[in-house]
Amino acid sequence: NAGVMQNPRHLVRRRGQEARLRCSPMKGHSHVYWYRQLPEEGLKFMVYLQKENIIDESGMPKERFSAEFPKEGPSILRIQQVVRGDSAAYFCASSPVTGDAGELFFGEGSRLTVL
Amino acid sequence: SQQGEEDPQALSIQEGENATMNCSYKTSINNLQWYRQNSGRGLVHLILIRSNEREKHSGRLRVTLDTSKKSSSLLITASRAADTASYFCATVPIQGAQKLVFGQGTRLTINP
Repeated sequence: NAGVMQNPRHLVRRRGQEARLRCSPMKGHSHVYWYRQLPEEGLKFMVYLQKENIIDESGMPKERFSAEFPKEGPSILRIQQVVRGDSAAYFCASSPVTGDAGELFFGEGSRLTVL
Repeated sequence: SQQGEEDPQALSIQEGENATMNCSYKTSINNLQWYRQNSGRGLVHLILIRSNEREKHSGRLRVTLDTSKKSSSLLITASRAADTASYFCATVPIQGAQKLVFGQGTRLTINP
């Protein structure tokens, strides 16, 4: 039973380019969370999605960032016109239940470097 | 702003000793969880304690929760070099969307 799969594991972009990070949740999980982690810091919540629905995007920057979790396929975190400050590790996590948040299952992360 | 604040930020002890990490939070919670992160890796869930529980054990791990003080502690007994990692507490607030809010973490180093 595969865990949460994130790709790419490492991504290098130049300023102004777009970054697309993908996350496939664990089998049977319908809830996906995206977090950002700067070096030596904790994880900051970005967005919580269910299939075809954004539940909470209170942690998403108002511009350039978007996320989706379509009916078919992985969840996508999209960053347009990247800037150096977007360099970070982006973690996806999934869970099977709602209403009583339990354990989250994390992927290995996608590390974005903006040159 | 972060809900959880871990203390200390960094801890270095000898193998075999016990390691204690503390976490404080601000708002009422549904549950509190501890996660471990090895360098360059994702987070791994260690233990979950609900707001109506005071103590929980899992192997060499012992977690306490004091909701009156809004604090929790994680104790790792008989530490091993392989326990070297960052440890994060995360809370699920009672109100609002059910999402985990993480603290800054404690970086634990076990010296052989």
